[in-house]
Amino acid sequence: DIVMTQSPDSLAVSLGERATINCKSSRSVLYSSNSGNYLAWYQLKPGQPPKLLIYWASTRESGVPDRFSGSGSGTDFTLTISSLQAEDVAVYYCQQYYSTPTFGQGTKVEIK
Amino acid sequence: QLQLQESGPGLVKPSESLSLTCSVSGDSITSSNSYWGWIRQAPGKGLEWIGNIHYSGTTNYNPSLKSRVTISVDTSKNQFSLKLNSVTAADTAVYYCARHGQQLVYSYFDYWGQGTLVTVSS
Repeated sequence: DIVMTQSPDSLAVSLGERATINCKSSRSVLYSSNSGNYLAWYQLKPGQPPKLLIYWASTRESGVPDRFSGSGSGTDFTLTISSLQAEDVAVYYCQQYYSTPTFGQGTKVEIK
Repeated sequence: QLQLQESGPGLVKPSESLSLTCSVSGDSITSSNSYWGWIRQAPGKGLEWIGNIHYSGTTNYNPSLKSRVTISVDTSKNQFSLKLNSVTAADTAVYYCARHGQQLVYSYFDYWGQGTLVTVSS
């Protein structure tokens, strides 16, 4: 299995400030034949199913605000919320789909 | 708009089998040629992929659960199902069904059910 490790486990950010979440995979999730990074990001709020935010490491899902962005390649990835809003309070997960899907342990984002 | 809805018992006794069904509406389970999966989240834990199925019946399972899991599909009812045998308290979780986003065996998940809590307890 590819192990996904997120950092930090939690972070508190002031409204309007930037939030950055890191995700590291134990093996590269970059598929050389198509140059695709098999990495997605989800937002999970209590009582709701996970919401897909980003796939292919940097492609924003339709309807997702542009304050959410994904970057990185190979083994190191980042989810950035450029200007934190109150509705962004949630737990965020990365997921690799290069092989048997696995998720990071989650990062809890709160308001400072 | 594609919608998924899990159904099944919320309480299962230890050593018995857990059975859940995911009903798909808004589109045919065969039309997108996608894989359809099950994911769970135990209390206070992260997300764990259980397995998936293509409408043709092809399945893929998480190696850690493979010996206990069966996923099946009923295209006539536009449903797919999960059966997990010999459950223990460690199988207590919210179980989600979801669609893999692209026509890949492994992919991200773009549509999710609301999730259903299954508790394993005597």
